[in-house]
Amino acid sequence: EVQLVQSGAEVKKPGESLKISCKVSGYIFSSYWIGWVRQVPGKGLEWMGILYPGNSDTRYSPSFQGQVTISADKSISTAYLQWSSLKASDTAIYYCGRHKGSSKMGYFEYWGQGTLVTVSS
Amino acid sequence: QSVLTQPPSASGTPGQRVTISCFGSSSNIGSYPVHWYQQLPGTAPKLLIYSNDQRPSGVPDRFSGSKSGASASLAISGLQSEDEADYYCSAWDDNLNDQVFGGGTKLTVL
Repeated sequence: EVQLVQSGAEVKKPGESLKISCKVSGYIFSSYWIGWVRQVPGKGLEWMGILYPGNSDTRYSPSFQGQVTISADKSISTAYLQWSSLKASDTAIYYCGRHKGSSKMGYFEYWGQGTLVTVSS
Repeated sequence: QSVLTQPPSASGTPGQRVTISCFGSSSNIGSYPVHWYQQLPGTAPKLLIYSNDQRPSGVPDRFSGSKSGASASLAISGLQSEDEADYYCSAWDDNLNDQVFGGGTKLTVL
């Protein structure tokens, strides 16, 4: 059974750094793209980017390029989403998902449960 | 304001058939496959339809998708109370060089 389990909710101050995680099981981690989607509470979904753990090829949405870093550790089948300096506007729920296919044709076929990130002074 | 336009709301009574539209352009729906997601209240999204009209295993055949030109539709037949959720379409957009989602449609089962 494919499972994606995300790290717990975070409360941070503006300017702080953060790395949230998504641990997968039930499939070969290196063989599928994995990515992240943002959802501001009460709002819609936003595609942030995807990474192929097999070769670390990473594709970012232009909206998130330079704002976040997507990475992975194949040895523990875990993907990460990282910020170096959080802003209040980063407050949102972040979902990881296994992405079938390339960025142009693909879709999220399995999803994690979401991680709520709250950034407030 | 998304480049994929969905009605903000839709409704139906149990047993009815409802459709949710997703309008785009030649740079997105007109050139790329459309995918649909269902988000039940307080939960993560779930893949409902992929590549315009394909259902993942486990998704009831009450749900169907179609695409024509630069628009797509999600149809739900035999509406049930548990179908009350937000529904999102998505597709790649060449102009934005980005995978975009529609603004979402909140389906209410009356």
